[in-house]
Amino acid sequence: ETGVTQSPTHLIKTRGQQVTLRCSSQSGHNTVSWYQQALGQGPQFIFQYYREEENGRGNFPPRFSGLQFPNYSSELNVNALELDDSALYLCASSQFTDTQYFGPGTRLTVL
Amino acid sequence: EDKVVQSPLSLVVHEGDTVTLNCSYEVTNFRSLLWYKQEKKAPTFLFMLTSSGIEKKSGRLSSILDKKELFSILNITATQTGDSAVYLCAVGLQGAQKLVFGQGTRLTINP
Repeated sequence: ETGVTQSPTHLIKTRGQQVTLRCSSQSGHNTVSWYQQALGQGPQFIFQYYREEENGRGNFPPRFSGLQFPNYSSELNVNALELDDSALYLCASSQFTDTQYFGPGTRLTVL
Repeated sequence: EDKVVQSPLSLVVHEGDTVTLNCSYEVTNFRSLLWYKQEKKAPTFLFMLTSSGIEKKSGRLSSILDKKELFSILNITATQTGDSAVYLCAVGLQGAQKLVFGQGTRLTINP
């Protein structure tokens, strides 16, 4: 059984650029959630996808958007990057339950 | 606003000690409480507690949920240096698909 994987591991961008982060869910899981974790803080919910549809969104602006594909993998897109977007971005998959299994994350640095 | 608060924020103990980590919550429509261990990047699932399962144990780790007083504790006995990590508490909500996380407790075990 393959766990949750994310790519890339690290990313450096400049203000105003756009970024795409990728996540492959654990085998058998149909739900993917994205979280942003700033240094020294707990993860903050961005949004969730269930069977290719957005199924809940946190307090993040529309420049944060996502997709889920038929194989349940997912993308997080962030437009017009700001310095405060620097964080660890975590993807978690589940079988539509509260028990979510996390990937290793993508560390995004915005200069 | 849904809130999860963990205490202490940081704890340093000696190998072999017993530690108790605290998590209190104020949320609408509680459904579950989860504990995760975060060593470097990926939070690793430890326990989920619900109304039908208010006490869990796995080896040296155990957790209880007090739904009346709205808190949970995570106990670790006979601590080892490998227990050093950030421990995250999260709450799942009825009617919402997100987990609301606390800020975490950084536990350091000195040999």
